[in-house]
Amino acid sequence: EVHLLESGGGLVQPGESLRLSCAASGFSFRVQAMSWVRQAPGKGLEWVSAIVGSSATYYADSVKGRFTISRDNSKNTLYLQMNSLRAEDTAVYYCASRTSGYWGQGTLVTVPS
Amino acid sequence: DIVMTQTPLSSPVTLGQPASISCRSSQSLVHSDGNTYLSWLQQRPGQPPRTLIYKISNRFSGVPDRFSGSGAGTDFTLKISRVEAEDVGVYYCMQATQFPQTFGQGTKVEIK
Repeated sequence: EVHLLESGGGLVQPGESLRLSCAASGFSFRVQAMSWVRQAPGKGLEWVSAIVGSSATYYADSVKGRFTISRDNSKNTLYLQMNSLRAEDTAVYYCASRTSGYWGQGTLVTVPS
Repeated sequence: DIVMTQTPLSSPVTLGQPASISCRSSQSLVHSDGNTYLSWLQQRPGQPPRTLIYKISNRFSGVPDRFSGSGAGTDFTLKISRVEAEDVGVYYCMQATQFPQTFGQGTKVEIK
């Protein structure tokens, strides 16, 4: 059975940093393109970032220059380093396989205004 | 960016009756590899999103066969043949053909 388990969310002050992790199991993680998607309270889904292969990375304009996506295939883990956090980054962050349909349960990041 | 437009945004349905959601993309979703990366997601209240359909019409593991997807190019449809109480939630179309990955606004399905 496939599992994606996010961790690392929490309450941080504006300007601070946070690193999210997503532990994958039950599928061939190393060959999957992976994404981070977020959902602000009461809002729809917003794509944040993706990594294809080991090093091709893509970012939404709203996080470019502040967030960094990476992966450790030896640990089957996806990461999202979030710097210079803003109130508008408050959301539940989900990791998901880009095209094969798997989603995690999400981790909440709160940045007060 | 590819804009995904869903209609309707709200769909009150009677239990046992069919429901249909449309999704239109601002550009063709056919990838250079020949696949069309159009998915349908379901998000029940308080739950994470769950994939129902991928690549237009492929039902994800464990998804009941009352859910079906169709379409091509820029026009796509999700159909529920007979709505059940557990189908209440918000449904999103999503394209992963081109970066940035984009989502429709969501369609809220509720029981009349």
